[in-house]
Amino acid sequence: GENVEQHPSTLSVQEGDSAVIKCTYSDSASNYFPWYKQELGKRPQLIIDIRSNVGEKKDQRIAVTLNKTAKHFSLHITETQPEDSAVYFCAALANQAGTALIFGKGTTLSVSS
Amino acid sequence: DAGVIQSPRHEVTEMGQEVTLRCKPISGHNSLFWYRQTMMRGLELLIYFNNNVPIDDSGMPEDRFSAKMPNASFSTLKIQPSEPRDSAVYFCASSYIAYEQYFGPGTRLTVT
Repeated sequence: GENVEQHPSTLSVQEGDSAVIKCTYSDSASNYFPWYKQELGKRPQLIIDIRSNVGEKKDQRIAVTLNKTAKHFSLHITETQPEDSAVYFCAALANQAGTALIFGKGTTLSVSS
Repeated sequence: DAGVIQSPRHEVTEMGQEVTLRCKPISGHNSLFWYRQTMMRGLELLIYFNNNVPIDDSGMPEDRFSAKMPNASFSTLKIQPSEPRDSAVYFCASSYIAYEQYFGPGTRLTVT
């Protein structure tokens, strides 16, 4: 089955710097890769996603890139702010039915001002 | 839209007791997912339903866990008997466009 590895597990940056979180997946048939943000004590919330027919997607200060050949995808946050501090999870589809996500272990991002 | 609704939000019970967690998906969504989150194991998929039918329950840890979805607007996750290692946050999520899952607020379960 699908397996998703996420790095780093923790990331500390200064306000205004960029942050990059990387994930690899094992199932070459996977075609959907969302990113979720989870603030302390709250639910995971979808912040951006990418499908296999594109290599990059941007939404204001966040962007995701996908390399299907290498089976890895990354989350880029520019001009980080203290409110970006949270746990970020990447995920990939688990099966051909296209509805079950497998999540990475998460990255705790801390942005200090 | 009220979003995914879960109850209770917090549950404290003693080992051996039965625990029932409840979920109401977003109206119109046809897929429902149960996840468990712990520090050690992260976010684990337990089971998911499409159109009220269980599709994959391979993530259910033991026979002590069971889940039902009697109709499109309600699902339960039951643990009987509960054990301290079941302590976790249990999330329910739903989706319509196959991929975009929306999570409920979670139920924090503590088994003493």
